[in-house]
Amino acid sequence: GAGVSQTPSNKVTEKGKYVELRCDPISGHTALYWYRQSLGQGPEFLIYFQGTGAADDSGLPNDRFFAVRPEGSVSTLKIQRTERGDSAVYLCASSLTVGNNSPLHFGNGTRLTVT
Amino acid sequence: AQKITQTQPGMFVQEKEAVTLDCTYDTSDPSYGLFWYKQPSSGEMIFLIYQGSYDQQNATEGRYSLNFQKARKSANLVISASQLGDSAMYFCAMYTGNQFYFGTGTSLTVIP
Repeated sequence: GAGVSQTPSNKVTEKGKYVELRCDPISGHTALYWYRQSLGQGPEFLIYFQGTGAADDSGLPNDRFFAVRPEGSVSTLKIQRTERGDSAVYLCASSLTVGNNSPLHFGNGTRLTVT
Repeated sequence: AQKITQTQPGMFVQEKEAVTLDCTYDTSDPSYGLFWYKQPSSGEMIFLIYQGSYDQQNATEGRYSLNFQKARKSANLVISASQLGDSAMYFCAMYTGNQFYFGTGTSLTVIP
């Protein structure tokens, strides 16, 4: 079946602009995670959803970052007033359930470049 | 505090040889999961293998095996019969406390 889909694959924006990154998880997966990965680093947790609600948003770096999952499937990560330090690969992952035996399945990521 | 530690930034292995990638973890939860992911230069994160904290036997998936030493809090990945396509970044991860934690990764290069 289809894997996790992320769009766009690349996004270049100017400092101060607003961007939206989309994630379409594997059908039937209840949990959805957003991570940020900088060059040479491991994924850094941002937020995860169980169903429609954000179960843990403790990784969001500040109030410029926001994410939604209104119908419990597709999620959008929104970044306001982008800064050059926001440049990174944003990874979305889904899992069948939440728990220590449910692996994450990742999308190919969105590479965000803020100029 | 660092939850997952991967101390080998880069590793080299001869094609067809076995290689071990190190991972240590830190948690006080009795129930947790350990995972390994492969990230080729193309960028996608590929799930390789899983080990549960209560599993008595080491996990195996084809050429991948996980050397789980609970008392030492280590979960090393062993790749047997290395292939050129195994060249990639490898990340160890742990699920505990409703979150996944990732290490900083090990870059593996397979030499022909």
